[in-house]
Amino acid sequence: SYELTQPPSVSVSPGQTARITCSGDALPKQYAYWYQQKPGQAPVLVIYKDRERPSGIPERFSGSSSGTTATLTISGVQAEDEADYYCQSADSSATSPYVFGTGTKVTVL
Amino acid sequence: EVQLVQSGVEVKKPGESLRISCQGSGYTFINHWIGWVRQMPGKGLEWMGIVYPGDSDTRYSPSFQGQVILSVDKSISSAYLQWSSLKASDTGIYYCARILREVTGDAFDIWGRGTMVTVSS
Repeated sequence: SYELTQPPSVSVSPGQTARITCSGDALPKQYAYWYQQKPGQAPVLVIYKDRERPSGIPERFSGSSSGTTATLTISGVQAEDEADYYCQSADSSATSPYVFGTGTKVTVL
Repeated sequence: EVQLVQSGVEVKKPGESLRISCQGSGYTFINHWIGWVRQMPGKGLEWMGIVYPGDSDTRYSPSFQGQVILSVDKSISSAYLQWSSLKASDTGIYYCARILREVTGDAFDIWGRGTMVTVSS
């Protein structure tokens, strides 16, 4: 099975930009997806297919992908963005087709 | 409103069996895969498996193959995750989530609120 690696934590001041990376060998061939999870709540999809935003997700959330690294960018971070963020990918040829990243705790200072 | 409603908190003893449920509403349940995800206390998300309600096709993560069984009851738009003999290490929150391939690809676009399972003697 393949892995997706994220930094354990990212700290950012309000109004600044947070960038969260997700590294994995399958990412050049597969889309990346991103989820936000606040304490005591279920995850919420914030980015799909590398860069698409579901309805209802603020425009300050954006995604990109290049080579083996996908990036979630939160522009103009707000206090409410403090949460855990997980990337995810899917490779139908893999033994374990779906995989989640290790997770990143975003702290708003 | 599209939603997945999961069954309530469970407290069990090691060796006991358990089945938790996930009922979909607001969309055509049989047409979209349902995935199950585990979150152990203070840890990250782990993909367990997926089931297709239309024909009960299932795919399991190697980590959970043989440890759990995924099933569905189309007549009541429900998916199930079951264990035959629980272990303390099964303690965690279990989420079901929908895959809407034609729109969001392989993303889990709608999630249930989770079922907390505690296994303790």
